[in-house]
Amino acid sequence: KAGVTQTPRYLIKTRGQQVTLSCSPISGHRSVSWYQQTPGQGLQFLFEYFSETQRNKGNFPGRFSGRQFSNSRSEMNVSTLELGDSALYLCASSLGQGQYDEQYFGPGTRLTVT
Amino acid sequence: AQSVTQPDIHITVSEGASLELRCNYSYGATPYLFWYVQSPGQGLQLLLKYFSGDTLVQGIKGFEAEFKRSQSSFNLRKPSVHWSDAAEYFCAVGAPHAGNNRKLIWGLGTSLAVNP
Repeated sequence: KAGVTQTPRYLIKTRGQQVTLSCSPISGHRSVSWYQQTPGQGLQFLFEYFSETQRNKGNFPGRFSGRQFSNSRSEMNVSTLELGDSALYLCASSLGQGQYDEQYFGPGTRLTVT
Repeated sequence: AQSVTQPDIHITVSEGASLELRCNYSYGATPYLFWYVQSPGQGLQLLLKYFSGDTLVQGIKGFEAEFKRSQSSFNLRKPSVHWSDAAEYFCAVGAPHAGNNRKLIWGLGTSLAVNP
């Protein structure tokens, strides 16, 4: 069974631009969560989707948004990028209970904002 | 609000030696507790989790963790470390009965190096 895939793996953007990251969960998994990982803050929860509905949201500004499609694939978007948005963005999928389930993480998208 | 602390930023052990990684949490009741490992170039992987019941939890790759309510701790242990265990280890805490407000709070991680 294929694992969680994330595209692109690396991205360099300029401050003020916007970016869209993609995540394909493990087949059969209906829950997708997104995290931001930085050395200083660690892993911080962004949002969680289940069956195309946002079920939970972390404490991030409205510039961060996401969505989930009927095939459970998910995208997250960051508008008006800031230097502090440079991070590793991780996607995780699970069967249904989201973060309290066993989550399967993708390799991440490394975003650098210059 | 719950919080989690991993006091050791970096630990180095010799291959074959025993290992204990510390995790302390702050929460008013018994939380849900998790240990994940992040190996270089790989995604995070769940090692074990504790919800209730037996306080000694067995996980994958020969790891175990013990929940100690009196010390608000959930330390990860392995009796004999292998070179392939070199990785970043994360402890995470969740509030039970959170319904759709389930959120994991993650520690900052402990980086483990293994000397041959």
